[in-house]
Order: sequence, then C-alpha cells, then structure tokens
Amino acid sequence: QVQLQQSGPGLVKPSQTLSLTCAISGDSVSSNSATWNWIRQSPSRGLEWLGRTYYRSKWYNDYAVSVKSRITINPDTSKNQFSLQLNSVTPEDTAVYYCTRGALGSIDVWGQGTLVTVSS
Amino acid sequence: SVLTQPPSASGTPGQRVTISCSGSGSNIGTNTVHWFQQLPGTAPKLLIYSNNQRPSGVPDRFSGSKSGTSASLAISGLQSEDETDYFCAAWDDSLKGWVFGGGTKLTVL
Repeated sequence: QVQLQQSGPGLVKPSQTLSLTCAISGDSVSSNSATWNWIRQSPSRGLEWLGRTYYRSKWYNDYAVSVKSRITINPDTSKNQFSLQLNSVTPEDTAVYYCTRGALGSIDVWGQGTLVTVSS
Repeated sequence: SVLTQPPSASGTPGQRVTISCSGSGSNIGTNTVHWFQQLPGTAPKLLIYSNNQRPSGVPDRFSGSKSGTSASLAISGLQSEDETDYFCAAWDDSLKGWVFGGGTKLTVL
C-alpha cells in the first residue's frame, strides 16, 4: 500500500520560500510508471495543480503556468521522496498543500495535507 | 475553476443522485475524467478513474460516465455517509496540467 507522508513548516513569511517534503513508502520516486505531484487547495482558488516530477529514463518536470516562475519540484532518490519549493510567497499562497501520486492515469494517492499560512 | 460543477446537490436516503462536470475539448473532450470524494478535514480520495472505473474498495453504488465534454458521477442507494464534497478532474492538453471542478457539496436529506 502506497503512503505519502508530508513534512514542512506551517507558517511562512511573505517574500520567503515555502518548502515541503513528501516521503514515499510502498513505491519508488524513480518509478517508470508514476508521477509525483503537488496540489494545493484554498477556499478562493479551489483545487489547483502546481506541478510534477517523474522519471522515464531521465527526469522530467511540468509546472502550472500560474506558478512556473516561482516553483521547483525535485526528486530525492537517496531518501525516496520529493520536495516542493515555492519562492516569493504572498498571502495568496496560503492553502492546504498535498503531495500526490499519479498512476492509473489518475491521481490515486494523496498525502495527509499541510496547511501553509503566509503571514508576517 | 476550469471544470464546472453545480455547487450543491441533494437527495434522500435510498435515492439516486447525479453530479455533473462540464469542461471543454482540451480536457474532458480529449482525456479521461476522474472523481474524488473529500470528507471534512481530510485529503480527497479517488472514487472513479478513467471515466467509469472504481478503485478497489469503492462500493458499486458509485458510477461514472462521460459524453463529449461532460461527465457525470452517479450515486445510487444514497446513504447518510455520502454527505460530503465531490470533485471532478481531468488532464488539460492546452494548459498541460491537471484541472479540477469547483466541487459539489452533497446533502442527504
């Protein structure tokens, strides 16, 4: 059974960098069939896909246009995890952030979620 | 939201209810639709994938369908525990990312 365990701070100051990590158990970040995604949810924006990393003989990344200039998603094969960095955050980035697995052509496993508040 | 869902739906115990999800040619019209159930304070859970497939453990009371640029989630034999939020999603070829509906809050009367 695949499980995703998120970690990271729940409070970030404006203009600073939001950093979250997602530890994978039951699968590999280097899987040739899965993708590893970050999605956030807020009352104002609903569910919003932020981006993904995946391995198909080499590493690929895709990012949402809305955050493309500020986001980095990196795999860490040594720890079997992946991370999210979102730079220059504003209060608009306040949301519950989820790491997820893409498989079955869908999004089939979700982390527990992390409420990140952007405030001074 | 890129995909359009009604904000609310309701039904009585035992009844059959449907929730719609409308998109466009770059998402639902080209790719498969997926449905999620989200209980309060928890992460969304995959309910239906690839238009009409149920993951292991999802009761067959839940079913999905797709036609053109729209899709529907049907719940038969409605139960009080079904009262929660439901979201649809699809990959969008133009945006090159996942897009979601705004969610439908289902009330069991």
